[in-house]
Amino acid sequence: DTEVTQTPKHLVMGMTNKKSLKCEQHMGHRAMYWYKQKAKKPPELMFVYSYEKLSINESVPSRFSPECPNSSLLNLHLHALQPEDSALYLCASSTGTGGRSTEAFFGQGTRLTVV
Amino acid sequence: AQSVTQLGSHVSVSEGALVLLRCNYSSSVPPYLFWYVQYPNQGLQLLLKYTSAATLVKGINGFEAEFKKSETSFHLTKPSAHMSDAAEYFCAVKEAAGNKLTFGGGTRVLVKP
Repeated sequence: DTEVTQTPKHLVMGMTNKKSLKCEQHMGHRAMYWYKQKAKKPPELMFVYSYEKLSINESVPSRFSPECPNSSLLNLHLHALQPEDSALYLCASSTGTGGRSTEAFFGQGTRLTVV
Repeated sequence: AQSVTQLGSHVSVSEGALVLLRCNYSSSVPPYLFWYVQYPNQGLQLLLKYTSAATLVKGINGFEAEFKKSETSFHLTKPSAHMSDAAEYFCAVKEAAGNKLTFGGGTRVLVKP
């Protein structure tokens, strides 16, 4: 199994809503990532979890709250978002951190629209 | 800090012609380098990677890339374009000691019949 599964595929939410994005992998990877991708732009790193601990937070606003319940799951909790947060949110995983644990495997993404 | 520059945000090629996508990196030490492809409304798929082994790297779908340290480049090529190659291509760099994958701006490939 070489898949990273993200749910839901599409999400429309109001600015006062609370929602969560979910990501799951069963490859035994110990590093998991959240990226945000706006239209016609490259992915931008938001968070990195390494061995279930948050290791990188790229100064993301607190309305985005990541959670790593176990080594296979990664969530992104959303609250009080703004329309400019509408984007494709990508989850990725890799075997570990640094060294030759190099390539990241990406999920299909969640297309988020904030209204 | 590491960075990646992709020359040309759009490339148009005829079916059967050579595909050449340019990528230059900036890093204090030889990094790990990757090419990813993204089809519309999809995630990113790894095409190939350079991890300090062979400098000429072969990937999926007939793509290959050559690491040139003297030029700090990692250009992607495919001898003969196919209609299914129409997509967005991203070059990415990762330092050996870190987790952070940094992407170039992307190059959109259009394949003309």
